[in-house]
Amino acid sequence: NAGVTQTPKFQVLKTGQSMTLQCAQDMNHNSMYWYRQDPGMGLRLIYYSASEGTTDKGEVPNGYNVSRLNKREFSLRLESAAPSQTSVYFCASRAGTANYGYTFGSGTRLTVV
Amino acid sequence: AQSVAQPEDQVNVAEGNPLTVKCTYSVSGNPYLFWYVQYPNRGLQFLLKYITGDNLVKGSYGFEAEFNKSQTSFHLKKPSALVSDSALYFCAVRDPSGGYQKVTFGTGTKLQVIP
Repeated sequence: NAGVTQTPKFQVLKTGQSMTLQCAQDMNHNSMYWYRQDPGMGLRLIYYSASEGTTDKGEVPNGYNVSRLNKREFSLRLESAAPSQTSVYFCASRAGTANYGYTFGSGTRLTVV
Repeated sequence: AQSVAQPEDQVNVAEGNPLTVKCTYSVSGNPYLFWYVQYPNRGLQFLLKYITGDNLVKGSYGFEAEFNKSQTSFHLKKPSALVSDSALYFCAVRDPSGGYQKVTFGTGTKLQVIP
């Protein structure tokens, strides 16, 4: 019963470095999402993928790219990390219809110095 | 544009007392409403949802929420709080008439249950 698995759990980057956050779900969900959580701001949507082969921007996409590698996997890439990208990143998935709740991963705590 | 507000950053309640965590929303159509709970260093967990029908919805861990259309509210409630209920609670709203994927989360309310 793995659900949504995110790696790594923690990461420290230097400004300008790049990295990819990995996310995989084993529930056969169509939709996958990347959120960032910052104190006092709730969760903000970075990118989402409504189905395999499609990706779309959310509220705060600047500085990020995504890849929906297959139905299970949805990765988030920071090409040139900035201190403003210090945050906790959550991947989530959802079954096909919009009235289902999300299943979240346990998060990646990223610090950019 | 849709929005959701959680007016209290923190709610303190004594163990065994009833608890309420407030949420109000703004959408142009009929809302889909959700509550999630986040324990320390964990992802959010789905608690309950309102889509249509009975205004009182029941969810996991003994929680329930009441949808009030006239007051545009969806408050989370529990008759008797447990220390283990201490966590961060998020309300979320989706306007079905808007984007398929657009869900807006509140800023969260920290619930502290005092033994």
